[in-house]
Amino acid sequence: DVKVTQSSRYLVKRTGEKVFLECVQDMDHENMFWYRQDPGLGLRLIYFSYDVKMKEKGDIPEGYSVSREKKERFSLILESASTNQTSMYLCASSYMSERDRGGSPLHFGNGTRLTVT
Amino acid sequence: SQQGEEDPQALSIQEGENATMNCSYKTSINNLQWYRQNSGRGLVHLILIRSNEREKHSGRLRVTLDTSKKSSSLLITASRAADTASYFCATDVYTNAGKSTFGDGTTLTVKP
Repeated sequence: DVKVTQSSRYLVKRTGEKVFLECVQDMDHENMFWYRQDPGLGLRLIYFSYDVKMKEKGDIPEGYSVSREKKERFSLILESASTNQTSMYLCASSYMSERDRGGSPLHFGNGTRLTVT
Repeated sequence: SQQGEEDPQALSIQEGENATMNCSYKTSINNLQWYRQNSGRGLVHLILIRSNEREKHSGRLRVTLDTSKKSSSLLITASRAADTASYFCATDVYTNAGKSTFGDGTTLTVKP
């Protein structure tokens, strides 16, 4: 079974702090993603990566950056945390789908609930 | 912008009944996926249906896809209390499933 592990279940940070959210997957997946989930807004894609050292902006990248130095690890960085970044953050991974050309499902971690005060 | 929208937003049924959730989307897709999320947890993949497929089954789950109407439905038969969760549809417009776009979800409550 694929395991996607997010380093913290709950985090409380102060406004202006630099915050690191870590995600590790153990299935050699090429693709990794960061979503945030807010009531009434569903899941929104922040950043994603198709390969090591590669990153692409999702729908809401402002205020965030990412790092992918190793294939199994994808980090989300809040450069200067603000209260509107209080949210549930979900990491996901998937394999590159050219193998069957039909798309591959996302495997999610359990999420990190971040509160910025 | 959200591609998928689930309907209804909330559904409450008795154990043993069937539950049907619908998803509508706006643009042409490569595939559509359904996920389940238990309270406070991550999402779990249920079924992926490709754009050239019309129906797919997995255990008590049945998914249909109508690309002409840009809609999909998820049917859970003989529901159990353990099926209580939020259910999301997600659509991919690229062959490499990655930029999946999620709807707001349907919250299903199954009463014992």
